[in-house]
Amino acid sequence: DTAVSQTPKYLVTQMGNDKSIKCEQNLGHDTMYWYKQDSKKFLKIMFSYNNKELIINETVPNRFSPKSPDKAHLNLHINSLELGDSAVYFCASRNRVATEAFFGQGTRLTVV
Amino acid sequence: KNEVEQSPQNLTAQEGEFITINCSYSVGISALHWLQQHPGGGIVSLFMLSSGKKKHGRLIATINIQEKHSSLHITASHPRDSAVYICAGLNTDKLIFGTGTRLQVFP
Repeated sequence: DTAVSQTPKYLVTQMGNDKSIKCEQNLGHDTMYWYKQDSKKFLKIMFSYNNKELIINETVPNRFSPKSPDKAHLNLHINSLELGDSAVYFCASRNRVATEAFFGQGTRLTVV
Repeated sequence: KNEVEQSPQNLTAQEGEFITINCSYSVGISALHWLQQHPGGGIVSLFMLSSGKKKHGRLIATINIQEKHSSLHITASHPRDSAVYICAGLNTDKLIFGTGTRLQVFP
């Protein structure tokens, strides 16, 4: 009964490939996020969706496309993967009205 | 300069010691999170607070809104507390993260 679950946990792929990371939350939250953690462990927001609508897009290359089929899911699709995309990607969710955020276990993406 | 700063960056302690990690922020926030990340692991929310003080077991978090400063205290530290601790301010709908404090507690 994991609250925020991401798949896969590890993803190794070649440059130029297209890949997707899935995220699902069963907390009934209305807002979901993708965060990127770089090699220095610094976390930065990429996208946020509220009730399936994009509300934050933090100057992420347009090779990254989030998709939210419903408010419990927020998937991240990445086209033409580059070496610099290697990082750990975290999904998170919360209710917009002042509740704490819950994080998925992270997806370690390695581009070779 | 990062909008959320933490200190120290690295911290080592002997088991049983009292530990303090500090967080200062320069942006408007409605709440502040303290998060814990074990090596290779996921991120766990320890606290979310917007004023005053909260306590869970051996962990205490305080925030001073006027001074834009928060602290995380660990009493009677234990090797299993070894992790990276991250503070994050909630600004509108997004979290702005500090750079993290790597804590190692030795037996």
